[in-house]
Amino acid sequence: DTGVSQDPRHKITKRGQNVTFRCDPISEHNRLYWYRQTLGQGPEFLTYFQNEAQLEKSRLLSDRFSAERPKGSFSTLEIQRTEQGDSAMYLCASSLVLAGNEQFFGPGTRLTVL
Amino acid sequence: SQKIEQNSEALNIQEGKTATLTCNYTNYSPAYLQWYRQDPGRGPVFLLLIRENEKEKRKERLKVTFDTTLKQSLFHITASQPADSATYLCALGHSGTYKYIFGTGTRLKVLA
Repeated sequence: DTGVSQDPRHKITKRGQNVTFRCDPISEHNRLYWYRQTLGQGPEFLTYFQNEAQLEKSRLLSDRFSAERPKGSFSTLEIQRTEQGDSAMYLCASSLVLAGNEQFFGPGTRLTVL
Repeated sequence: SQKIEQNSEALNIQEGKTATLTCNYTNYSPAYLQWYRQDPGRGPVFLLLIRENEKEKRKERLKVTFDTTLKQSLFHITASQPADSATYLCALGHSGTYKYIFGTGTRLKVLA
């Protein structure tokens, strides 16, 4: 299967701990997105990369969140000092660099902060 | 501020009927509008893209319209089937950025 993969699929952590999620996009896709989704809501944009450059970051994203895509392939999303409000599904998507191009989503990482 | 509204209540329809879902937006001038399907516990799956200069797009049993004057998109599923039951999301993109803003989604249930 050459789709978008995410690891881990589930993460339970205690408040105050740091967590890191990984996303492996479809290999030829230059663009990579991170979203957060809570129950009953649509995906909320967090940030996106074109190759290794982080082009936009949501103003909603606090300084506790950071994302990297060091070699323009896989990406990591780190949340420092987790809070209960961070509990959500974190989705990664990738796409080709064409205007309006469809995004291919991974299965998501479900984070529970106790 | 930018706002995207989809029917928050679930839509129940009888098998074989046409389902129509709406996506309304304010304070936004999207160049692209996408529709996705999401099943519980899974990531969204792309269905259709329509551009601001297109009025209508079709793909098999799916049809999307885009009215930039009304600031509305309609998503139709004809001859609906129980397997079409899912949450449907609209996502708007601006030509100046490749960021997409998603609506809250509408849950569709097709009754056999």
